[in-house]
Parts: sequence; structure tokens; C-alpha cells
Amino acid sequence: EVQLVQSGAEVKKPGESLKISCKGSGYIFTSYWMGWVRQMPGKGLELMGIIHPGDSDTRYSPSFQGQVTISVDKSISTAYLQWRSLTASDTAIYYCVLIVVVTRTNWYFDLWGRGTLVTVSS
Amino acid sequence: QSVLTQPPSVSAAPAQKVTISCSGSSSNIGNNYVSWYQQLPGTAPKLFIYEDRKRPSGIPDRFSGSKSGTSATLGITGLQTGDEAGYYCGTWDSSLNAWVFGGGTEVTVL
Repeated sequence: EVQLVQSGAEVKKPGESLKISCKGSGYIFTSYWMGWVRQMPGKGLELMGIIHPGDSDTRYSPSFQGQVTISVDKSISTAYLQWRSLTASDTAIYYCVLIVVVTRTNWYFDLWGRGTLVTVSS
Repeated sequence: QSVLTQPPSVSAAPAQKVTISCSGSSSNIGNNYVSWYQQLPGTAPKLFIYEDRKRPSGIPDRFSGSKSGTSATLGITGLQTGDEAGYYCGTWDSSLNAWVFGGGTEVTVL
């Protein structure tokens, strides 16, 4: 069974750093792009960025460039989303997604992790 | 403000039909494939339609996708209480050089 298993909920203070994870299984991890999607409380979906586990090629959506770091450790089939200094506006659910890329402009999010709730509060 | 415009909510009685629109432009919907995602309350989104009209395995044929010009539509027939959820459209935007989602539509079964 193809699965994306995300790390558990986090409660952090402003200014703290954080790294959350997403482990893929049941498929060839290095063959598919992965991404991270943010959903702020009561709001819609926003793609933050994507990474190809095979070569770590990483692309960020303009709004998130420089705000977060996406990485991968293919030896353990795990992708990461990292912040150096959290703020209250980072409070959200973060989903990892398995992306099927047919062409450069034709992709879709085939499988979603269950989400990681990040709460940033003093 | 989302690049793709969806109505905030739609509703209908059980067994009826609803349609959800997703309006964009030639830089996104007009020239790129659209996918649709269902998000049940408190759960992660799930792929329901890809490449405008294709359904992944396991998605009932009560759900259909279509596209005309710069607008896409998700149709749900035989509406059930279990269909109450948020629905999001998404596609690539060639001008922004980025993936974009619509703002989402809440479906309510009356």
C-alpha cells in the first residue's frame, strides 16, 4: 500500500526552529516528486514547494521562497519541511503530497499525508 | 485572492445534482489540465478528478469533471450526506510559473 506518514503535531514558541517529516512507502521513493501544502486555520490550500527525491531538485512557490527549506533523505525515504524561526502566522496544518508529473505543466497531487498541525504561540 | 475563483458554497437536497465552477484565465485553466480535490471535515484532501475529467480508481462515477475555455466544473449527481465537504480545483499557471489552487467550495446537503 502506498503511504505517506507524517510526523506528529508540534507546539512551538515564536522564534523557535522546527523540522517536520514525511515518510513514503509502498512505491519507488526516488521516482516521484513530493510537495508540501499549507492550510491555515479555516483557509484554503497553498502549495509551498516541491522536491524530487532522486536528485533533490527543489522548487519553491514564490510566497514561500526564503521562508522555509524543503529537503529529503532518500536513504530513509523521508522528506522534510523546515523553519529557522517560526512566527504565529506559521500556525497551520502542513500536508505532504505525492505528485504525479506528466509534463512540466501537467501534474496532480495523487496522494496526501494526514497532515501535521503546527501551532506557534507564546 | 485566489487566481482561480470558486463559489464559497453550494447546496442541494439529497439525490439532487450540484455543480462547482472554477474560473480562471488562458494562463491557467485555458491551457493546462485541472484537478479536483475533496476534503472531508477534519481530514486531508483527496484527489477526485485529474486531467480535467479523469477519475482515479475508487472514485464513484457520480463525480464528473469538465472544462470549457477558461472555466472548469465539478459535477456531483445523486448527492449524499457523505459528499458534504470542501472541494478545491487546481492547475498550473504559466504566467506565474506556479501551481495554483482555487479558494475552495463547501458543499452542503440540505
